[in-house]
Amino acid sequence: GDQVKQSPSALSLQEGTNSALRCNFSIATTTVQWFLQNPRGSLMNLFYLVPGTKENGRLKSTFNSKESYSTLHIRDAQLEDSGTYFCAADGGSGNKLIFGTGTLLSVKP
Amino acid sequence: GPKVLQIPSHQIIDMGQMVTLNCDPVSNHLYFYWYKQILGQQMEFLVNFYNGKVMEKSKLFKDQFSVERPDGSYFTLKIQPTALEDSAVYFCASSLGNWASYEQYFGPGTRLTVL
Repeated sequence: GDQVKQSPSALSLQEGTNSALRCNFSIATTTVQWFLQNPRGSLMNLFYLVPGTKENGRLKSTFNSKESYSTLHIRDAQLEDSGTYFCAADGGSGNKLIFGTGTLLSVKP
Repeated sequence: GPKVLQIPSHQIIDMGQMVTLNCDPVSNHLYFYWYKQILGQQMEFLVNFYNGKVMEKSKLFKDQFSVERPDGSYFTLKIQPTALEDSAVYFCASSLGNWASYEQYFGPGTRLTVL
């Protein structure tokens, strides 16, 4: 079954609005990574998290290990934020990533 | 951020042939990984590699797959022989690999098409 579940699977946002993506884990994980995959397929690192919160510009991410979830908040969405967002759990070992199914985000003018 | 390079970006081969995918990881990283992504799906872990050895592999890492990194050169994934179901994008990743950071950085991928 899906060890890392992402929601929603797809999302359409108006430019300038805010939204949140979520990742639920059914496996133990000590760290979480968030990536943005652009339409050409390249992966950009967004966050590497231990339990807690990090912020970078218009993005903020939280990893709650006790309740087994992570969120990615996007503030003031821009056209270039479009792409597929993946979260990934380290499975507790740190030596491999288990990816979620992704959230396809489309930001419209 | 740190850059991982992959060569080639695309490869088209006939079923049954051998293919080698090359990865140039971040220079001071110690752990190396291969992942497979079929179009429209999530990335799936294949194998990790540390200190010249495979540490862990998934059930997707078939007997026809092998990895090596001879003398600090490219980290390679070899498939011999290839099958139709091997068509996918293969991503290489690397990480520093200590408890300070297991953050993985990914290359741009090699799109493999097996005909």
